[in-house]
Amino acid sequence: RKEVEQDPGPFNVPEGATVAFNCTYSNSASQSFFWYRQDCRKEPKLLMSVYSSGNEDGRFTAQLNRASQYISLLIRDSKLSDSATYLCVVRWVKLVFGAGTILRVKS
Amino acid sequence: GAGVSQSPRYKVAKRGQDVALRCDPISGHVSLFWYQQALGQGPEFLTYFQNEAQLDKSGLPSDRFFAERPEGSVSTLKIQRTQQEDSAVYLCASSLAGLGTEAFFGQGTRLTVV
Repeated sequence: RKEVEQDPGPFNVPEGATVAFNCTYSNSASQSFFWYRQDCRKEPKLLMSVYSSGNEDGRFTAQLNRASQYISLLIRDSKLSDSATYLCVVRWVKLVFGAGTILRVKS
Repeated sequence: GAGVSQSPRYKVAKRGQDVALRCDPISGHVSLFWYQQALGQGPEFLTYFQNEAQLDKSGLPSDRFFAERPEGSVSTLKIQRTQQEDSAVYLCASSLAGLGTEAFFGQGTRLTVV
């Protein structure tokens, strides 16, 4: 079983749609959680950190459920520019990535 | 420099050749990570340094892979006797100490073994 698991997608959505991604992790000692975004042939970049109380950054909302070892990302009012791969990331000592979820937003 | 710098950006190696990939982290970043990313996959953890200490090398796929960071800044990932399955993008990331801090990535080295 992989340490961090994500639905690979792709998620094909129209502009303006709301889309949600989920992620589960296996190590209960995990202490930090992140969502990274990766564009084609580019390096990953931090989208947002994920806090236990849940947090929001504009159109993006992240949630963490430590009991279920589950992380989510909600994107509201999708834009064409949101098309990318979204990587769920968990850290205990090392930083471990999921395989990523592909999002394609279409006009 | 302002960001994480990796060199070379592209490397073509003949099977059996040794290669060395360099990573210059952001100044002051004590944590340094190496990842291997195959096409269509997420970054796979290879190894982690805190300063010059290699704290975790559990992701190195074989004893042909070796990483070092002798002075706690620049790191080198060496692959001996390259095989075709080593073809991938090798990413380096650095961060400040502290588990909650953001890791910044370099642009990666795309290795093709022919």
